[in-house]
Amino acid sequence: NAGVTQTPKFQVLKTGQSMTLQCAQDMNHNSMYWYRQDPGMGLRLIYYSASEGTTDKGEVPNGYNVSRLNKREFSLRLESAAPSQTSVYFCASTDRATDTQYFGPGTRLTVL
Amino acid sequence: GDSVTQMEGPVTLSEEAFLTINCTYTATGYPSLFWYVQYPGEGLQLLLKATKADDKGSNKGFEATYRKETTSFHLEKGSVQVSDSAVYFCALSGSKGAQKLVFGQGTRLTINP
Repeated sequence: NAGVTQTPKFQVLKTGQSMTLQCAQDMNHNSMYWYRQDPGMGLRLIYYSASEGTTDKGEVPNGYNVSRLNKREFSLRLESAAPSQTSVYFCASTDRATDTQYFGPGTRLTVL
Repeated sequence: GDSVTQMEGPVTLSEEAFLTINCTYTATGYPSLFWYVQYPGEGLQLLLKATKADDKGSNKGFEATYRKETTSFHLEKGSVQVSDSAVYFCALSGSKGAQKLVFGQGTRLTINP
C-alpha cells in the first residue's frame, strides 16, 4: 500500500516548455486534488476531481489543465510554463469515510 | 469566501515547553477543522480534526478545540519534543461532498534541545 505517489520529485523547465505531473493513489478513493505550496501562502487548490470522470477548478486554476485518467490517476499539465508556476505541487486524495485527506510527497518545480 | 489565519512564525521553543499555535477562521455554515503537519521534505499528514462545535481533536499529545463562538481552533501541546519540529497548517473544509481544504499560511516550529 503505497498511498499517494507523485512523479517526478524534481523538475526544472524553461519558460514556455510543457510538462505533466503524474499522481496515483492505491486507496480506492473517489476524490483527488492538486495543490501548490508557495512560501508564506500555505497550500492553494488548483483543481480537484470529486469522482472518476469529473474535474473542477479550484482557487488558482489558470495556466493548468488536469485529467482524471481513471479512479487511481489524476495528472496535472502545464501547457506553457511560466516563472510564476515555480512552486511545490502536492497531489492528495480523500477517504470520505474518515474525512481524512492523504498527501503525496510533492514535486518541486522550477521554471527558469 | 472561506479563509484561515494562523499566527505568524517562525516559533522557536525549548524542549518541554508549552506550545500554542493560534488559528482563526472565517466560513459560512459549519466547517470541519483540521491541523496538518509537514516534516522536512515530506507531504502533509493529518494531525487532528474536529467536525462540530466544542469537539476536541487530539493526537500525539497535541490538542485543539473547535470554538464556534470565537471562530478558533488553536493547537496546543503541554511538553514539546525536538521531534515536533515541523511546519503546522490549520485548515478548514466547508464543502459537502468533495473535501476542498482551505489552508492557513503555516507556522514553522523549531524545538531546541
